[in-house]
Amino acid sequence: GENVEQHPSTLSVQEGDSAVIKCTYSDSASNYFPWYKQELGKRPQLIIDIRSNVGEKKDQRIAVTLNKTAKHFSLHITETQPEDSAVYFCAASPLGGYNKLIFGAGTRLAVHP
Amino acid sequence: EPEVTQTPSHQVTQMGQEVILRCVPISNHLYFYWYRQILGQKVEFLVSFYNNEISEKSEIFDDQFSVERPDGSNFTLKIRSTKLEDSAMYFCASSPRSLNEQFFGPGTRLTVL
Repeated sequence: GENVEQHPSTLSVQEGDSAVIKCTYSDSASNYFPWYKQELGKRPQLIIDIRSNVGEKKDQRIAVTLNKTAKHFSLHITETQPEDSAVYFCAASPLGGYNKLIFGAGTRLAVHP
Repeated sequence: EPEVTQTPSHQVTQMGQEVILRCVPISNHLYFYWYRQILGQKVEFLVSFYNNEISEKSEIFDDQFSVERPDGSNFTLKIRSTKLEDSAMYFCASSPRSLNEQFFGPGTRLTVL
C-alpha cells in the first residue's frame, strides 16, 4: 500500500525566513496530495492541495510542488510568521482508494520572532 | 461556513467497554471517513464510507470496529470492546466529491483505562 515519508520532523526558523517541508510517496498511482496544518489540540485544516496533473500551485505565501517522476512533493512557506507555528502533515491519496488519505509523520514548525 | 461536528469531545471508558463516537458531516457531502491519531503521532486512516456502505478499511479497522450512518445525518464509529491501545484522538472527515478536500471534525479524545 501507499507509504508517505516526511522530512524534517522538526523545523525552526526565524520570522521572515522561508520554510520547506518535503514528502515522498511510494504508490506512483497516487493522484491527490493535500497539506494540512494542525495547531495544538485542534483539527487538521487543509492549507493547500495539488493534483497529479499539475506541477506547482501557489496561494499567497504558500506553494506546493510535485515531481511525479521522483514521487516527491514539497511545501514552501515564504515570509514565515509566528502564527505559522504548527504541525504540518502531507498526505497522498491512492488512485481507486475512495480518496483515503495516507499521512506523513508530520513536521513541527516553530517560527521565532 | 459549515463544519463537521463530533461528540463527545472527550470520552473516558474502561477496557472492554463499548463506545460510540458520533459525527455530523457537512450536509451535502457524499464521502465519509474516520481517522485516528495516537498522541504525538501521525493521522491514520481507519475507514471510508460511501453510498451507505464501507468502501475501504485499514488493517486497524478489525472486527471490533463498525460504522453506521443511521439516519442520513449522523455517522458513527463503534468500538465493541475497547483496548488500552485504542486510546487516541478520533477524527471524522467528510468530502463533497472524489479527489476533493476532506473536512475534519474537531475530534473525540478517547481514553481507555
